[in-house]
Amino acid sequence: DAGVIQSPRHEVTEMGQEVTLRCKPISGHDYLFWYRQTMMRGLELLIYFNNNVPIDDSGMPEDRFSAKMPNASFSTLKIQPSEPRDSAVYFCASSTGRSSGANVLTFGAGSRLTVL
Amino acid sequence: QKEVEQNSGPLSVPEGAIASLNCTYSDRVSQSFFWYRQYSGKSPELIMSIYSNGDKEDGRFTAQLNKASQYVSLLIRDSQPSDSATYLCAASGSARQLTFGSGTQLTVLP
Repeated sequence: DAGVIQSPRHEVTEMGQEVTLRCKPISGHDYLFWYRQTMMRGLELLIYFNNNVPIDDSGMPEDRFSAKMPNASFSTLKIQPSEPRDSAVYFCASSTGRSSGANVLTFGAGSRLTVL
Repeated sequence: QKEVEQNSGPLSVPEGAIASLNCTYSDRVSQSFFWYRQYSGKSPELIMSIYSNGDKEDGRFTAQLNKASQYVSLLIRDSQPSDSATYLCAASGSARQLTFGSGTQLTVLP
């Protein structure tokens, strides 16, 4: 398996623009997570899905952020409009629903977002 | 208060020494604990998982869990310069998401 695939790896945009980050989880993994990492706040959970259904979005900072998972192999995190304080590395991670691998997250390479 | 606390460091140890990384957690519901390693500019990668009180060893790494004290630690024996990274402690309860600590930056000096 190629692991968790994220795109783009780097994104530089101007304040007010829409940003869409993409993620392909590991095939067969039932859980998909979006995390954000900054120096100040560390690694924070934004939202996670189970079998394509959002389970907990309490970490989504505000209405400018939205996430979807239209099928088992694809998820998007959208920021509209973007602001400089959204600059961070956004990680997607997935895990299996089987008890033997429960809660063991495999991370993608991350998308580094810079909002000017 | 953050649910998972770590000393941010930086922690420096000489090559060949034992590096000791510590973590406390506040949620008594937490059942599963993990140590992830993150090299600069890279994504976190799992080193160890531990679910029961006591020690768990894997090569040069030993994870220790004490649920009564709400304490998790990671020992790295015979530290190598390639172990220099940020180590993230994470905890999970009945839900599937992990809560991460802020990480401890470890430098192993040649």
